Amino acid sequence: EIVLTQSPGTLSLSPGERATISCRASQSVTSNYLAWYQHKPGQAPRLLISGASSRATGIPDRFSGSGSGTDFTLTISRLEPEDFVLYYCQHYGGSPFTFGQGTKLEI
Amino acid sequence: QVQLVESGGALVKPGESLRLSCAASGLTVNDYYMTWVRQAPGKGLEWVSYISNGGTIKRYADSVKGRITISRDSAKNSLSLQIDSLTAEDTAVYYCARVRGGVLSGYFLIDYWGQGTLVTVSS
Repeated sequence: EIVLTQSPGTLSLSPGERATISCRASQSVTSNYLAWYQHKPGQAPRLLISGASSRATGIPDRFSGSGSGTDFTLTISRLEPEDFVLYYCQHYGGSPFTFGQGTKLEI
Repeated sequence: QVQLVESGGALVKPGESLRLSCAASGLTVNDYYMTWVRQAPGKGLEWVSYISNGGTIKRYADSVKGRITISRDSAKNSLSLQIDSLTAEDTAVYYCARVRGGVLSGYFLIDYWGQGTLVTVSS
């Protein structure tokens, strides 16, 4: 089972700034099957990025993903007020699907 | 537009059983792998179970194996999760979600989620 470790646990920034969230895997992720989700409390999680770097349909281009192997990054280039929520990475190359512990982006 | 709406969450006592449902619209559950993911209070997301598009493949997380049964109802276009012998560790929001891919594809990308239903286990 691949263990995903996100850092930081909490990230304090201001609107307009750049956010960088890291996701490190305990072993190499097959075919870069690494996804990022945004989760607003009380709402359905939303797929942002798949394949480590491909934006999902309708996701603004201020969200970008990068990385390969064991180290992956989600970058939000210019933070909007609605971006201050939770973010999770996930390995989806096989079961059990595993998630990072989450990063809270706060103002 | 894909929509997944969970229901059935409740406050139950340890040892009791509960059946969660997920009504789907904008997709046919028979055409996709479907999955349940849960989130305990203050914790991260934990995959619980998935069922294949043909219904022949069902997988469960080790933490729930033997107590949970996933199923689907084609006529109602819905997904269900039966949880038996509930413990406090099962307290969580349970999310129903659609999976793109599957065993033959070698990947299981969750692309649509419901808003979740809360299960609380307490005496």
